[in-house]
Amino acid sequence: NAGVTQTPKFRILKIGQSMTLQCTQDMNHNYMYWYRQDPGMGLKLIYYSVGAGITDKGEVPNGYNVSRSTTEDFPLRLELAAPSQTSVYFCASSSLGFQETQYFGPGTRLLVL
Amino acid sequence: DAKTTQPPSMDCAEGRAANLPCNHSTISGNEYVYWYRQIHSQGPQYIIHGLKNNETNEMASLIITEDRKSSTLILPHATLRDTAVYYCIVRATGTASKLTFGTGTRLQVTL
Repeated sequence: NAGVTQTPKFRILKIGQSMTLQCTQDMNHNYMYWYRQDPGMGLKLIYYSVGAGITDKGEVPNGYNVSRSTTEDFPLRLELAAPSQTSVYFCASSSLGFQETQYFGPGTRLLVL
Repeated sequence: DAKTTQPPSMDCAEGRAANLPCNHSTISGNEYVYWYRQIHSQGPQYIIHGLKNNETNEMASLIITEDRKSSTLILPHATLRDTAVYYCIVRATGTASKLTFGTGTRLQVTL
């Protein structure tokens, strides 16, 4: 199993541009999550999904959108990139819920200039 | 979820045991203690979790005090590859309870 994969690894965006961060897991997990991590800080939950077709907001959802059309994929969309969205983004998945072990991807480093 | 307090940094000599403390004095009866670590900007990695009994797995041991107000993660024989930020997280059971990452303890393992 590849686990949780994320693409791209690194991206530079200009202010106002849009992009989609891809996340795929091959463990057949129902729950998937998106976190962001600013330098020197812990992770903050952006959005999560409890299954295909179901998503919900986390702590810091503003400026982001998600969709979950399949069990495997959970893309994160930035519509109008802002410098405040410069961060490292981690996708994670778990089998039964938040209390289960979460498996994290390698992260996407995003720089908005 | 209960708040946790960890020292910002610790050092440990390679081959020695690393003991990482965590205070969670407001923990509730249905809240578990979880430990994750993050190695050099990689995604966090699950280590261990427990409710009230001590737990051990292939990576570490978790010692929870009888009053559950604090715990210690023990890496029995630390190696250079254990250098990482270690997060202690307290959270309740139930699907709506989320992981809340603080700033953790930066463990530096040295020769």
